[in-house]
Amino acid sequence: EVQLVESGGGLVQPGGSLRLSCAASGFTFSNFWMSWVRQAPGKGLEWVANIKQDGSDKYYVDSVKGRFTISRDNAKNSLYLQMNSLRAEDMAVYYCARVGGWYGGNSGPDYWGQGTLVTVSS
Amino acid sequence: DIQMTQSPSSLSASVGDRVTITCRASQSISDYLNWYQQKPGKAPELLIYAASTLQSGVPSRFSGSGSGTDFTLTISSLQPEDFATYSCQQTHGNPYTFGQGTKLEIK
Repeated sequence: EVQLVESGGGLVQPGGSLRLSCAASGFTFSNFWMSWVRQAPGKGLEWVANIKQDGSDKYYVDSVKGRFTISRDNAKNSLYLQMNSLRAEDMAVYYCARVGGWYGGNSGPDYWGQGTLVTVSS
Repeated sequence: DIQMTQSPSSLSASVGDRVTITCRASQSISDYLNWYQQKPGKAPELLIYAASTLQSGVPSRFSGSGSGTDFTLTISSLQPEDFATYSCQQTHGNPYTFGQGTKLEIK
């Protein structure tokens, strides 16, 4: 059974940093692109970043470029999101997701974690 | 960026109704279109990928169609567990944008 478990969310002041982690199990992690997707309170879904199987390619939504870094450790079956210079508009539930693969990296998520809440407030 | 526009934003329907939700892309995305269902407080679940392929385990009352810029999600006979929010997503080009969502409520 595919499982994705996020951790690392919490309360942070504007300008602060957080590192989200996602522990993956139930599939061969190194075979899949992975994503972070977020959802602000009461709002729709927003794709944040993707990372290729070997970490060699990474893509970001413009609003987080230069502030967020997606990374992975295939030996630990783990995905990460380093978030720096956090803003109020970054407050959201952050979901770790496996990219389905039907169109390679141009696929959507097929499995999602339960999400971790990031609150940005002074 | 490719903009995804869903209609309607909300919809009231009854159990047994046939429901159609539309998603329009601001430029052609071929069939790089996915549909998700999300219930309150839960993570989204994949329903349809590549515009019309049913994800494993999803009931056959769900179907998707379209190509290019116009897409539809159809639920042939609404069941109580189908009342949720539905979102489309394009994965033709970065950033992989979502529609704003359609909230399906019980009439």
